[in-house]
Amino acid sequence: DARVTQTPRHKVTEMGQEVTMRCQPILGHNTVFWYRQTMMQGLELLAYFRNRAPLDDSGMPKDRFSAEMPDATLATLKIQPSEPRDSAVYFCASGLVRIGTGAGANVLTFGAGSRLTVL
Amino acid sequence: KNEVEQSPQNLTAQEGEFITINCSYSVGISALHWLQQHPGGGIVSLFMLSSGKKKHGRLIATINIQEKHSSLHITASHPRDSAVYICAVMDSNYQLIWGAGTKLIIKP
Repeated sequence: DARVTQTPRHKVTEMGQEVTMRCQPILGHNTVFWYRQTMMQGLELLAYFRNRAPLDDSGMPKDRFSAEMPDATLATLKIQPSEPRDSAVYFCASGLVRIGTGAGANVLTFGAGSRLTVL
Repeated sequence: KNEVEQSPQNLTAQEGEFITINCSYSVGISALHWLQQHPGGGIVSLFMLSSGKKKHGRLIATINIQEKHSSLHITASHPRDSAVYICAVMDSNYQLIWGAGTKLIIKP
């Protein structure tokens, strides 16, 4: 089965260090999302790409976070410098999304997540 | 049958009207999203629900887990609320299953 691959699965780092999370979306998908899940905030949408172009990163703290998609097979989420409040599970999801077309349900497939702990 | 059904598919209303968009789903879920997409824009996450009710400004979202149903309400609707509203459920495999969206137009 096609799957979304995220690396690393777990990362423990110290405050101030740079963290890069990577995502390999499913080939042929036109949409990539980065989500963050914490106990306090639940699931938050950080950034969203359509055909590799960033369309919405309003949920992302821009002073320290950056999201890029250098090619169709790789999306990255970088935190520099990291802070303890960034500790969370970061999910990447990809899908072939058609919105508002009446085409029925679309499925967005999530990766298994990257669990980040910033000490 | 789609696993996530939204109704209505299209909705046109006058400014000031109370708006309700419904979402029914047939799978077991860990969470339900309501998202908004403006024409030419990105998707904005409005709410993520796993139980009860949430309110943000003029937007209210409710979910009934037993009935597998959620509603999104907009009070005192405004033309800037015109957008596509999407219900999406996350199942236990971390798949986000989307409804087809409801296209809302609010006329001045």
